[in-house]
Amino acid sequence: DAGVIQSPRHEVTEMGQEVTLRCKPISGHDYLFWYRQTMMRGLELLIYFNNNVPIDDSGMPEDRFSAKMPNASFSTLKIQPSEPRDSAVYFCASSLMQQREGTDTQYFGPGTRLTVL
Amino acid sequence: DAKTTQPPSMDCAEGRAANLPCNHSTISGNEYVYWYRQIHSQGPQYIIHGLKNNETNEMASLIITEDRKSSTLILPHATLRDTAVYYCIVRVANTGNQFYFGTGTSLTVIP
Repeated sequence: DAGVIQSPRHEVTEMGQEVTLRCKPISGHDYLFWYRQTMMRGLELLIYFNNNVPIDDSGMPEDRFSAKMPNASFSTLKIQPSEPRDSAVYFCASSLMQQREGTDTQYFGPGTRLTVL
Repeated sequence: DAKTTQPPSMDCAEGRAANLPCNHSTISGNEYVYWYRQIHSQGPQYIIHGLKNNETNEMASLIITEDRKSSTLILPHATLRDTAVYYCIVRVANTGNQFYFGTGTSLTVIP
C-alpha cells in the first residue's frame, strides 16, 4: 500500500488567496483526520470523518476553513481566504476501526507545508 | 485521555539501546499506551502500542510497569535515522478519536 497520500507537498500563496489541500487515505480505512502543526501549538486536530461523514469539526479555527470527503478515497481541506497565520504543516491521517482492541492506529501522510505571504 | 509526561530531550550513542521513559500516572484501565515518532519534516509514524503486557515488534519494544503508571520505549540498537521526536500517548482504543500529541522527547542519536 502506498500509504496516505497528500498533495501538494509545498504550497506558497499570497494572503487572500484560496488554498486547497488534498488527501487520499489508505484504501479500506474508514476514518480520516486533518491535523495542523505549528511550532507554537504543536500538532492539533482540525476535523475528522467516519465513513465520509464529518464527526467532529470543533478544531476548525474559523469559517475560512472547510473540509469535505466526497468519497472514501478523497478528502480536501480548503482555506478561503488564506492569512499568514495559517502558515503551518497540514497532515492527513487515516485509520481503520477493527474489532480487536487497540488497533485503530492512525497512519499519517507526509504533510503539506503551507506558507501564506 | 490521560496526560503523559516525557523528558524534553535525550541523547543516545549510535548502536546503543535508547530507552525513552513516559509517565502516565492517571491512566485508566481501558487506556492503551501508544508511541509515535516524528522525524524532521515528516508525518508522525506509528511505532508500537500496548495495554498491560510488554510488546515487541520490528521497530521497538514497549515495557509497561505492572501498575501501568509508566512505560519505556526501547530502541535496541539506535541508528542516526532514529533521531526524531518521540511521542507517548495514552488513549482509549477504538474510539475513532484523535491522538493528542504533547511535546514529546527529542532523541538525538550521536555517532
